[in-house]
Order: sequence, then structure tokens, then C-alpha cells
Amino acid sequence: DMKVTQMPRYLIKRMGENVLLECGQDMSHETMYWYRQDPGLGLQLIYISYDVDSNSEGDIPKGYRVSRKKREHFSLILDSAKTNQTSVYFCASSSTGVNSDYTFGSGTRLLVI
Amino acid sequence: KTQVEQSPQSLVVRQGENCVLQCNYSVTPDNHLRWFKQDTGKGLVSLTVLVHENDKTSNGRYSATLDKDAKHSTLHITATLLDDTATYICVVGDRGSALGRLHFGAGTQLIVIP
Repeated sequence: DMKVTQMPRYLIKRMGENVLLECGQDMSHETMYWYRQDPGLGLQLIYISYDVDSNSEGDIPKGYRVSRKKREHFSLILDSAKTNQTSVYFCASSSTGVNSDYTFGSGTRLLVI
Repeated sequence: KTQVEQSPQSLVVRQGENCVLQCNYSVTPDNHLRWFKQDTGKGLVSLTVLVHENDKTSNGRYSATLDKDAKHSTLHITATLLDDTATYICVVGDRGSALGRLHFGAGTQLIVIP
């Protein structure tokens, strides 16, 4: 069953704490993404990874970093979380090409208090 | 500035009725356009992808059109079911490879009532 798995599903952190969001995929997709989704806005790209240790900033990378040491795992790290990073975070993966499908995880709901 | 605008923002229909969702965009280049369905609390699931000028696709009760001249797409849902209740998101890709970016609309929230 092809899927993207995100852990944890829900997370509450205090301002200033470090946050680790994990994402795994079982499709051997080269490309993986981290997005955040806020009410009334489209998904915004935080980081994109083209393969192991080949990561690029997206549109809103400030306050985030990523790690991809294995093709199937892509982590999002918030060093010293801020309240404005409260959001729903989605991981996705895709193979290359237009007709390849994008597979999204179910999201991690992060609340920073 | 939002480059993908969806309308209506929300829509309520009775089960069995048809509905049409609209997507206008200003993304350039517009390599392809995708429609996703997002159930509450879940991830996005791809419904269809349109690539060519005046493309039309059909996926069961879902059908979609793309007019690249007008930078406009529609998603038609025929004979709606209660399970169609979800947010439908229009996404425009500016390239046909992973080097491109996806530009997301904010979505249309569809509620199907009995």
C-alpha cells in the first residue's frame, strides 16, 4: 500500500522548545516536500528535497530546517518553536514527471503555546 | 499575491445534485493543473491532472476542464454523495518536473447534505 506516513499526528509544544516532525514514504520517491497549511491559505512550501542530502528552501523556510539521510525519510525541525508556527504540516512525495502522482501524508497538527 | 483563486469559497448542495467548482490562476508558466480532495483532518488525494490546452478529464463522477488561454479550470461533480463532503483544492504546476513549484489555491469547502 503506497503511502506517506507522518508522526506524530498531534503535538503541543511550548514556545522555545525544539520540534521534530517525521515523515516516511514507501514508494522510493526521489522528491519529498514539507508544506504548512493555515486557514484561508493555500499550502505553502517550506522545503523540498530532491534526494538524500539534496535539499532546497521553499517559499517560507525561515525558522525551519530539514534532514534527509535516507531516501524514505524526511524530517522537519523547528529550533526554538514560535507561536506563529502553529499550523498543520504536510509531508508529500512524488516521482518525477507531470503524470506522476503526488502522495500526501495525513498531516501533523502542531500547537505552539 | 495569491496566484490561484478558487470559487466559491464554500458550497452546500443536496445529495444527488450536481455542482461546479471554479479555479482561476495567474501562474506562469502553467505546465499542468491538478485537483485534489481533502477530507477533514486528512491529507490531499489527487483527483485528476490536466496538462494540455483545452484538456478534459473524467474520473468517475468527477470531470474537469482546463482552458489555458483563460487560465481557468472547472471541476464538475455529478450526483453528489455525502462522502463528497470535503475541501477541493486546485493546484497549478509551473513545470513538468520536480524542479517546478506547485501553487495551491485555498480550496472550496463542499458540504453535501441529505
